[in-house]
Amino acid sequence: DTEVTQTPKHLVMGMTNKKSLKCEQHMGHRAMYWYKQKAKKPPELMFVYSYEKLSINESVPSRFSPECPNSSLLNLHLHALQPEDSALYLCASSQGTGPNSPLHFGNGTRLTVT
Amino acid sequence: GIQVEQSPPDLILQEGANSTLRCNFSDSVNNLQWFHQNPWGQLINLFYIPSGTKQNGRLSATTVATERYSLLYISSSQTTDSGVYFCAVSTRAGNNRKLIWGLGTSLAVNP
Repeated sequence: DTEVTQTPKHLVMGMTNKKSLKCEQHMGHRAMYWYKQKAKKPPELMFVYSYEKLSINESVPSRFSPECPNSSLLNLHLHALQPEDSALYLCASSQGTGPNSPLHFGNGTRLTVT
Repeated sequence: GIQVEQSPPDLILQEGANSTLRCNFSDSVNNLQWFHQNPWGQLINLFYIPSGTKQNGRLSATTVATERYSLLYISSSQTTDSGVYFCAVSTRAGNNRKLIWGLGTSLAVNP
């Protein structure tokens, strides 16, 4: 069982819908991440939160909006997505933000945009 | 920026066989992690190993930082080892929180 929990597991949404992905960890980790992964590719970093503050935004389009309500929760709000945004969205956490902090991933949300 | 190359890209094994996966990187690293992604998409951290050798059951990893490569050994492979193995690194010159990923080795273990 993973210690990073993501909901929902699957999501189908139309291009005019608004939806949210949720991520939760209770390991006391202080950094949380959103990654996007297309089929047969490695994960691509989208956002990093460090101590509940956004520290990295990898030039992600504004139709993706992250939110970190507290140190255990991370949300990704979705609005006006395009079919090419269909992918596996992975949340991860690490104890710290330094180089010696292994990443722990959730099971991901498979998103399909119709 | 740093380049991360993994080999082989694809590997097919018979259950019980041993294998070695390789990760080459083009610059000094301060962080190297091996991950396994199973066919259902779950991504598991196998090792944090910027240098040295570690073992966990049938898996072990060795990173020779001075020669800029890391090896992942799988012994007595099982069908549950199937999936994609990724190597990911970060550098002192780069951003510690941004890992640079290889393209992965896709492993299929047949019964």
